Amino acid sequence: TQLLEQSPQFLSIQEGENLTVYCNSSSVFSSLQWYRQEPGEGPVLLVTVVTGGEVKKLKRLTFQFGDARKDSSLHITAAQPGDTGLYLCARLRQEYGNKLVFGAGTILRVKS
Amino acid sequence: GAVVSQHPSRVICKSGTSVKIECRSLDFQATTMFWYRQFPKQSLMLMATSNEGSKATYEQGVEKDKFLINHASLTLSTLTVTSAHPEDSSFYICSASLTSGWGFTDTQYFGPGTRLTVL
Repeated sequence: TQLLEQSPQFLSIQEGENLTVYCNSSSVFSSLQWYRQEPGEGPVLLVTVVTGGEVKKLKRLTFQFGDARKDSSLHITAAQPGDTGLYLCARLRQEYGNKLVFGAGTILRVKS
Repeated sequence: GAVVSQHPSRVICKSGTSVKIECRSLDFQATTMFWYRQFPKQSLMLMATSNEGSKATYEQGVEKDKFLINHASLTLSTLTVTSAHPEDSSFYICSASLTSGWGFTDTQYFGPGTRLTVL
């Protein structure tokens, strides 16, 4: 069961455009992680957000954690073809032995 | 940084045979390893949690007799797909959890995945 809803599922944009990916849940997160996965590889952790209202930046990527800790967003500025990949949000379920529950993912394609 | 390897990276086998996939933490000791399955253009689904020296805990709907997990050491966990069928074809990914000095595990490091194709 997916406890996290991600949107959009697919996104195809031109190089230089901006985009935002959303991750939502009806329940409160203790923390939320964002991963990026390229085809044929394992996911790579981009960021962990813990505090409500937190904003973290990683070069052209900006991550926000909602004040109520029920939602998060990933904004990419001036997307490049190298940003192409599957973006996944994941919730750490500490009460279940630190399991990660992943959202359905957003497939991003940036065309040059 | 913490590195996790998987072997093989891809395997093709005949229906009915068994396939073993290895997951190793190369530069750290992992008390917990996780096994995931991923179908094309879909997210990761947790199959089981593997703790060193104890039996694996399987997620609901995952057949423990079909997906045998062994975590014999702090750096190695293996997943054996027994009597594989075409529907078992998938991308299998492991992760290893790093335990902090306070005994708190909050970071999973993922392996590169193993592509299994069952003919």
